[in-house]
Amino acid sequence: GAGVSQSPSNKVTEKGKDVELRCDPISGHTALYWYRQSLGQGLEFLIYFQGNSAPDKSGLPSDRFSAERTGGSVSTLTIQRTQQEDSAVYLCASSLSMGQGFDEQFFGPGTRLTVL
Amino acid sequence: LAKTTQPISMDSYEGQEVNITCSHNNIATNDYITWYQQFPSQGPRFIIQGYKTKVTNEVASLFIPADRKSSTLSLPRVSLSDTAVYYCLALEGFKTIFGAGTRLFVKA
Repeated sequence: GAGVSQSPSNKVTEKGKDVELRCDPISGHTALYWYRQSLGQGLEFLIYFQGNSAPDKSGLPSDRFSAERTGGSVSTLTIQRTQQEDSAVYLCASSLSMGQGFDEQFFGPGTRLTVL
Repeated sequence: LAKTTQPISMDSYEGQEVNITCSHNNIATNDYITWYQQFPSQGPRFIIQGYKTKVTNEVASLFIPADRKSSTLSLPRVSLSDTAVYYCLALEGFKTIFGAGTRLFVKA
């Protein structure tokens, strides 16, 4: 079956522009996660959705970051007024049920964002 | 706060057994211990998960002592293709905390 997909795979933008990153989770997975990974670093948790709701948005780095999920499926991560420090790989994952430790998260290939 | 501590890097040779230990002193009673593997330019991939004692699957074994303050991922007879970063995970409410990971380099 299809895994988690993300688009675009690569995005180059100019400082100050807005960008939208898309994640299509595995069908039937109710939980969806966004992470950020800077070069050579570990994963930084950004936000988690259960259905269309995000119980905890405190992982978002600043108010320039927002995320939404519609229809319990596709999610969009939006970064407004991009800065060079936003350059990273943005990873999306989904899991079958609520964000419990025993839920295996399936990751997409990521979107590599470069802010010039 | 939930936090995991792992060695930054490890080297091994093909055919050897590799053990990577993770400390998670503040693990919550209900939390499972989970390990992921990440190859360059790919998202992480689930390896194994356990709550206590020992868990084994076709890829690895996970040893968890009774106090659950640490865990050891054991990779039997590693090959060059096992060169990757290995993450031990913790939970903090709804947040999944990936530590810095252990970079394993397998040499021929």
